Amino acid sequence: DGGITQSPKYLFRKEGQNVTLSCEQNLNHDAMYWYRQDPGQGLRLIYYSQIVNDFQKGDIAEGYSVSREKKESFPLTVTSAQKNPTAFYLCASSQQGARSNQPQHFGDGTRLSIL
Amino acid sequence: AQSVSQHNHHVILSEAASLELGCNYSYGGTVNLFWYVQYPGQHLQLLLKYFSGDPLVKGIKGFEAEFIKSKFSFNLRKPSVQWSDTAEYFCAARGAGGSYIPTFGRGTSLIVHP
Repeated sequence: DGGITQSPKYLFRKEGQNVTLSCEQNLNHDAMYWYRQDPGQGLRLIYYSQIVNDFQKGDIAEGYSVSREKKESFPLTVTSAQKNPTAFYLCASSQQGARSNQPQHFGDGTRLSIL
Repeated sequence: AQSVSQHNHHVILSEAASLELGCNYSYGGTVNLFWYVQYPGQHLQLLLKYFSGDPLVKGIKGFEAEFIKSKFSFNLRKPSVQWSDTAEYFCAARGAGGSYIPTFGRGTSLIVHP
C-alpha cells in the first residue's frame, strides 16, 4: 500500500546535538511538508517543498533544516539552535498541479525528546 | 493572514450523546475545508472535506460537517458518539486555487465515556 513512512518513531537528543528525522513517501506526491505538533497548539508548519531541490520556510523554521534531493524523501534536521525541540513531528505529502485539491496524507509521526 | 479557530479545546461526552465541534476560518476568498482525526497512537486521517457544491458534507464513521459561508464556519457533527470516537480532531482550511498549504486549528480533544 502507498503511504508515508516516518522513522524513527521515538528519538532522543542530547543537548547540543543535531538529529535527523526521516520521511519517505511512495505516493508519487510532488509536495511534502513537516509539521510540529504540541499540545493545545495544533499543527504548525516548519518547512515545505513543492518540487525536488526546492523548499520553503513555514511558520516556525528557525532551528530546523531540510533537504529534498529525491521526490520521495524529505528529511528534517533538528539542529542545536532549536531551543525547545521536544515535540511530535509529522510529515505529510500531497499532490500538486491539476490535482492540488486533494488533501494531505500524513505519516505516523516521530516523537522527539531531550535527554 | 489566514487562521482557523477551534473553540472547544476539550470535550467530554457520554456514549450516545450528540457532538458538535466548532470551526471558524478567516479567509475572504473561496476556501477548501477539511476535518482530520487523530486516534490515539495513530496518524492523522481525513474525516471529510468540502471544496464546492452541497454545503452539508458527509464523511466517514457517521460524521458530517456544514459549511456556512456567511458565518465562515465549518462545524463538525455526529448525532450519537461512540467510545471509539475518542480522538483529537483538527479543522483545516486553505485558499482554493491559491496557496495549497492548509492552515490548521489548534485541535479539539474529544473523550467519550462508555
